[in-house]
Amino acid sequence: RKEVEQDPGPFNVPEGATVAFNCTYSNSASQSFFWYRQDCRKEPKLLMSVYSSGNEDGRFTAQLNRASQYISLLIRDSKLSDSATYLCVVTSSGGYQKVTFGIGTKLQVIP
Amino acid sequence: EPEVTQTPSHQVTQMGQEVILRCVPISNHLYFYWYRQILGQKVEFLVSFYNNEISEKSEIFDDQFSVERPDGSNFTLKIRSTKLEDSAMYFCASRTRSNQPQHFGDGTRLSIL
Repeated sequence: RKEVEQDPGPFNVPEGATVAFNCTYSNSASQSFFWYRQDCRKEPKLLMSVYSSGNEDGRFTAQLNRASQYISLLIRDSKLSDSATYLCVVTSSGGYQKVTFGIGTKLQVIP
Repeated sequence: EPEVTQTPSHQVTQMGQEVILRCVPISNHLYFYWYRQILGQKVEFLVSFYNNEISEKSEIFDDQFSVERPDGSNFTLKIRSTKLEDSAMYFCASRTRSNQPQHFGDGTRLSIL
């Protein structure tokens, strides 16, 4: 099983739609979780951290399910500018924290 | 907002040559990282660096690779004898402390001819 697994997509959705991505991780001792966004040929940019209680930032909601070892990202009211690849990032426990990226899920928002 | 900066933005090198990629992490950050991303593939961890030493490295980070923090601001990645398969985007990242997210530089595109 891959350490961090994501559906690579692409997800093609119309503007205004709601879309959800999941990510599963294999290491039950994983400690921190993040969603990053990556535009084509650009660096990953932090979208949001993911907390056990779930958290929301505007149109974006992230959830963590430790029992099932997955995290999710929900995007409401999709904008054309949301088109990008969304990377699931999982860090292990311990001081140095090994960081593992998923392959990313590509989102294309269509007018 | 403070940024991680990387130079050069694009490096073209002949196979077998040495290359040094440079990064200036955010000034109060303590943990530093190098990643690479081959075109169309996932971001891959290379090495992490803390307290002036390597804390973890991946299988990719073999004897051809080295990192250095020669002064209080720069963090460099050296590839001693480049191979064609080293062609990729190389990202530097840094963070303040445990459980905090990493902040990425905008990358160096390395092309090996």
